[in-house]
Amino acid sequence: DQQVKQNSPSLSVQEGRISILNCDYTNSMFDYFLWYKKYPAEGPTFLISISSIKDKNEDGRFTVFLNKSAKHLSLHIVPSQPGDSAVYFCAALLGTYKYIFGTGTRLKVLA
Amino acid sequence: ETGVTQSPTHLIKTRGQQVTLRCSSQSGHNTVSWYQQALGQGPQFIFQYYREEENGRGNFPPRFSGLQFPNYSSELNVNALELDDSALYLCASSFGGARNTEAFFGQGTRLTVV
Repeated sequence: DQQVKQNSPSLSVQEGRISILNCDYTNSMFDYFLWYKKYPAEGPTFLISISSIKDKNEDGRFTVFLNKSAKHLSLHIVPSQPGDSAVYFCAALLGTYKYIFGTGTRLKVLA
Repeated sequence: ETGVTQSPTHLIKTRGQQVTLRCSSQSGHNTVSWYQQALGQGPQFIFQYYREEENGRGNFPPRFSGLQFPNYSSELNVNALELDDSALYLCASSFGGARNTEAFFGQGTRLTVV
């Protein structure tokens, strides 16, 4: 039972354009969401998070949007840079300690 | 500030053997979580230790066990290895308490069971 879903395994975007990565979840008990970025041979790196009391959180080029009624969140990267090429994982916090991760989306930013 | 470090980075074991993976948490963090990431999947929660006590467990059999030491470093032990245990094992540390809202991951240990 995949409670956090990232339905696009891969995405290619031109440098300078917007990258939009999507994530859907099924458990309405989730109230905190995070995005992690992972380069090959490295562990996931925290990128940005959002609490369910908000619908948007911004940090520089990265913005996360949360639509609770649709149980959907998205990560926007503007402008996209070649260094953003990585696998992006969406995660939801269950209870106080357990992250539930999606399967990841591989982003490729083309120069 | 010291990051999360895991050892070894790669390991090959034979089916039926036992393995111990190690994790040093980030300075100031008292909570360690372990995750298993199979190829093409997202990390799956194994368990978490907070102040040397197991604080929660995912859907993994008892042959997956762990320890946390007074310096908050941690070990993951897997007994009776199976081929399906081949995966990247990630350790994440955080400052626990009521809620762990941001965890910092190590680079992982790639375990191959043959």
